[in-house]
Amino acid sequence: GNSVTQMEGPVTLSEEAFLTINCTYTATGYPSLFWYVQYPGEGLQLLLKATKADDKGSNKGFEATYRKETTSFHLEKGSVQVSDSAVYFCALTPNTGGFKTIFGAGTRLFVKA
Amino acid sequence: DTAVSQTPKYLVTQMGNDKSIKCEQNLGHDTMYWYKQDSKKFLKIMFSYNNKELIINETVPNRFSPKSPDKAHLNLHINSLELGDSAVYFCASSQGGLAGVNEQFFGPGTRLTVL
Repeated sequence: GNSVTQMEGPVTLSEEAFLTINCTYTATGYPSLFWYVQYPGEGLQLLLKATKADDKGSNKGFEATYRKETTSFHLEKGSVQVSDSAVYFCALTPNTGGFKTIFGAGTRLFVKA
Repeated sequence: DTAVSQTPKYLVTQMGNDKSIKCEQNLGHDTMYWYKQDSKKFLKIMFSYNNKELIINETVPNRFSPKSPDKAHLNLHINSLELGDSAVYFCASSQGGLAGVNEQFFGPGTRLTVL
């Protein structure tokens, strides 16, 4: 079946540090891949997405590349800010269409000033 | 101009009571969802409606009953509330079933506390 595995948190970094949050997936074919972010007290919002192999999604300084060979979609940012403190969710939607998005367990990020 | 709205934002109630949460989206989307998020932030899908038709019904106690009066609304009614129902409930919507356009838009959540 389809599944998403992301690194356990919490991840604690100092401001301006480099961020990587690992995400790997299991799916048949070529699913669409997403990163969502949830700030404290809010709902999830889309951060970036990629719909085919080797695509790079980017937004707000965050990037993730769709790697079919390693079934991965790792989230990176070169220099984090305190305002990036949030919970990050990796997710996939099967390419067979359908309506069900599979979410990872979420990774909480704390950034210290 | 809120895209996905939920009411109420907070709900505190006693065990055994019945309560409802309402959701509305103004994005013109065909598909709406209910998710439950536990204290560890794990997100679990409960239901999904497409054009007012139930298309996803995960293993959820039948005390939970969704209702979609039209494409823009999806309400969640919960009977005989239990302590374990305490969580944050999120409504979401998306354009439809094509994988590449299945970006979901989430509401702000309803924090339910059962005492």
